[in-house]
Amino acid sequence: EPEVTQTPSHQVTQMGQEVILRCVPISNHLYFYWYRQILGQKVEFLVSFYNNEISEKSEIFDDQFSVERPDGSNFTLKIRSTKLEDSAMYFCASRTGGSGNTIYFGEGSWLTVV
Amino acid sequence: AQSVTQLGSHVSVSEGALVLLRCNYSSSVPPYLFWYVQYPNQGLQLLLKYTTGATLVKGINGFEAEFKKSETSFHLTKPSAHMSDAAEYFCAVTSNNNAGNMLTFGGGTRLMVKP
Repeated sequence: EPEVTQTPSHQVTQMGQEVILRCVPISNHLYFYWYRQILGQKVEFLVSFYNNEISEKSEIFDDQFSVERPDGSNFTLKIRSTKLEDSAMYFCASRTGGSGNTIYFGEGSWLTVV
Repeated sequence: AQSVTQLGSHVSVSEGALVLLRCNYSSSVPPYLFWYVQYPNQGLQLLLKYTTGATLVKGINGFEAEFKKSETSFHLTKPSAHMSDAAEYFCAVTSNNNAGNMLTFGGGTRLMVKP
């Protein structure tokens, strides 16, 4: 069964460093998402991406964050200058077109900022 | 705005007992409702979803949920718990009005199954 794949599975970075989290969505999917889950808290929406542009973003997704689909297969989340509070599990997700279609999640990338 | 409340952050049942995980939602438009499961150190896996049609939906691993509009609920049940059901369960809502169809999640319920 097709799946969303994410790399790295775990990254430790120093505060202030740039981080890029990578995702390969399911190949025929059209909508792409990043969510995050701070340890012990609920899963939070960060951003959705469709037709090569951001379609929605939350208040969490400030100027330190950016997304890109550079080559038609990868979907990346960049955090420009990491803060301690960026430590979380980051989930990439994707779905086909059409309302109500299932959003499929990757296994997540653990980011630890020290 | 949409929101989801999961009553009980931890639920403990005995193996073979009924599982009931509660989910209430708030939405000003007809909702699409989902249950996801997260096993330790893994991602989110879809258990089941309600979009339109039959209000009782069946999912994987013997789980089912019933959409009750009058109660704004979408509780998850399983007649007989198995040890392998121990995981965290998330209820989520979206809607057709939602441009990106992004999900709003509840806080999660950790299910523990005792032998």
